[in-house]
Amino acid sequence: KQEVTQIPAALSVPEGENLVLNCSFTDSAIYNLQWFRQDPGKGLTSLLLIQSSQREQTSGRLNASLDKSSGRSTLYIAASQPGDSATYLCAVRPGGGGNKLTFGTGTQLKVEL
Amino acid sequence: EAQVTQNPRYLITVTGKKLTVTCSQNMNHEYMSWYRQDPGLGLRQIYYSMNVEVTDKGDVPEGYKVSRKEKRNFPLILESPSPNQTSLYFCASSFLSDGELFFGEGSRLTVL
Repeated sequence: KQEVTQIPAALSVPEGENLVLNCSFTDSAIYNLQWFRQDPGKGLTSLLLIQSSQREQTSGRLNASLDKSSGRSTLYIAASQPGDSATYLCAVRPGGGGNKLTFGTGTQLKVEL
Repeated sequence: EAQVTQNPRYLITVTGKKLTVTCSQNMNHEYMSWYRQDPGLGLRQIYYSMNVEVTDKGDVPEGYKVSRKEKRNFPLILESPSPNQTSLYFCASSFLSDGELFFGEGSRLTVL
């Protein structure tokens, strides 16, 4: 059974820092991996989707990498801003594709002025 | 604006009183699903639907029903809610079965 772990559970950094959020999964046979952000009282917003054949994806200040063989993905946030404060979740889709994702429990990020 | 809309956003009810949480998407997505989010457990899939009249169980389907009579709508039905169904519920949709997921803003349900 796939398990997805995100460490740390919470992180506080000063504005302007570059930071890395981690996502680990136990079964490397994945189809793709998706990163989301969740703001308090809101739904999940998709940030990046990485297919299993890709090594990384970039969107603005965000860069997500995928090392399938080691069961790891990282989300890199450059020049963090207070508006980046949110909970970041990763989710993996099994190797056969389909609509069943396994989510991590998230990293709660706070970027302070 | 492309979106997934859930209603109600907040609901407090009592044990055994049937309720329905509606979900509607305007992106012509084939795939829709329901998740619940609980502290320490993350998001877990309840049910999903691949198309009209085609649904299947997710990881935690007990106590829930769904229907997909129209492509845009995917309501979640709790026939006899119990306190352990107190949770934050999310509806999601995607164009492809393995494509990018789009989420609604969530429905916080409390069952007393």
